[in-house]
Amino acid sequence: KAGVTQTPRYLIKTRGQQVTLSCSPISGHRSVSWYQQTPGQGLQFLFEYFSETQRNKGNFPGRFSGRQFSNSRSEMNVSTLELGDSALYLCASSGTEGDTQYFGPGTRLTVL
Amino acid sequence: AQKVTQAQTEISVVEKEDVTLDCVYETRDTTYYLFWYKQPPSGELVFLIRRNSFDEQNEISGRYSWNFQKSTSSFNFTITASQVVDSAVYFCALKAYSSASKIIFGSGTRLSIRP
Repeated sequence: KAGVTQTPRYLIKTRGQQVTLSCSPISGHRSVSWYQQTPGQGLQFLFEYFSETQRNKGNFPGRFSGRQFSNSRSEMNVSTLELGDSALYLCASSGTEGDTQYFGPGTRLTVL
Repeated sequence: AQKVTQAQTEISVVEKEDVTLDCVYETRDTTYYLFWYKQPPSGELVFLIRRNSFDEQNEISGRYSWNFQKSTSSFNFTITASQVVDSAVYFCALKAYSSASKIIFGSGTRLSIRP
């Protein structure tokens, strides 16, 4: 089976812009979770989608949003970018709620 | 609240040495899952192992072994006869049953294996 894929792998944006990241889960996986990784805060949970519904959400401002499509692919959007949003954004998929999460290669976002 | 502590920020050993990465967790849930992930310089988190709270059996996989002790809330990871390719950041993680899919990660241990 193909692994989790994320596009794009690298992004450079300027403050105030918005960005959309995409994640395609492992075939058959219906749960997609998003994480932000920064040197200062480490790995932090953003949100999780299952069958097109957000099931769980971390402590991030409303500028961070996401959605999931009927084919389980997911997108996350960050509006009004700030310098502090520069990070590696990781997507993970799993088969069911208790299953192991498998991660994609990440999207490295740089905000200038 | 759930918490994962990896007290060792960085470890450097010479190739072929054994090395143990420590992990201590906190949770009030009686059902939970523990994980170890490896993050090489490429950035992708690679799944290594998962342990359920009701299964305290230790596990060995090749040069890797894991020691799960509920009495001390620890889930330590040992690499035997380390190799340069083992150099990476290793994360211990916890998923409590009550937290659905949310995984709490430790701060990671950067392991450097010197030739």
